Amino acid sequence: SQQGEEDPQALSIQEGENATMNCSYKTSINNLQWYRQNSGRGLVHLILIRSNEREKHSGRLRVTLDTSKKSSSLLITASRAADTASYFCATDALDTDKLIFGTGTRLQVFP
Amino acid sequence: DAGITQSPRHKVTETGTPVTLRCHQTENHRYMYWYRQDPGHGLRLIHYSYGVKDTDKGEVSDGYSVSRSKTEDFLLTLESATSSQTSVYFCAISEGSRNEQFFGPGTRLTVL
Repeated sequence: SQQGEEDPQALSIQEGENATMNCSYKTSINNLQWYRQNSGRGLVHLILIRSNEREKHSGRLRVTLDTSKKSSSLLITASRAADTASYFCATDALDTDKLIFGTGTRLQVFP
Repeated sequence: DAGITQSPRHKVTETGTPVTLRCHQTENHRYMYWYRQDPGHGLRLIHYSYGVKDTDKGEVSDGYSVSRSKTEDFLLTLESATSSQTSVYFCAISEGSRNEQFFGPGTRLTVL
């Protein structure tokens, strides 16, 4: 099945540094979404980018989408210890109304 | 968690027993979903509902059934639990199929 694949699987950085996570997918999509999951909790929606958009910002988050390469990136600027979590991309293909989630990137931000 | 509750939050059961997990929402959202989350697999869709009594299968539906008799409740049933169904189960809701989804706190199920 079509699935987003995040890269890297795990990322460790110091507070104040930027964190970049990438997502690749296989088929043409309507939207791509990013979610965050803190340990032991449910996922929380961060941002949605449509297939006709190339970049979107929300606070310290910046998401880009390159439909020609079937890839997206999530940039967290000036990271904080509270950003420690797993981050997932999710895509919905043109011919389905279901979201397919990737396996996630585990981000660790050290104080 | 956006008006979504799941019950129970934790359950330990034995192989072969029936198990029902409940998802309850107070947001009046049309779509409701059941996912399971396992290490190395991310989140996988089990079943979803697009209205009262309207349900469809997801990626990993074998061994699971669902029911939605009211807008606010979506039940997931394991007719005869197996050890491979040990997992964390998440319910989610959304206004539309392509909108953002809001997740419940999860149910940790252990099948011995």
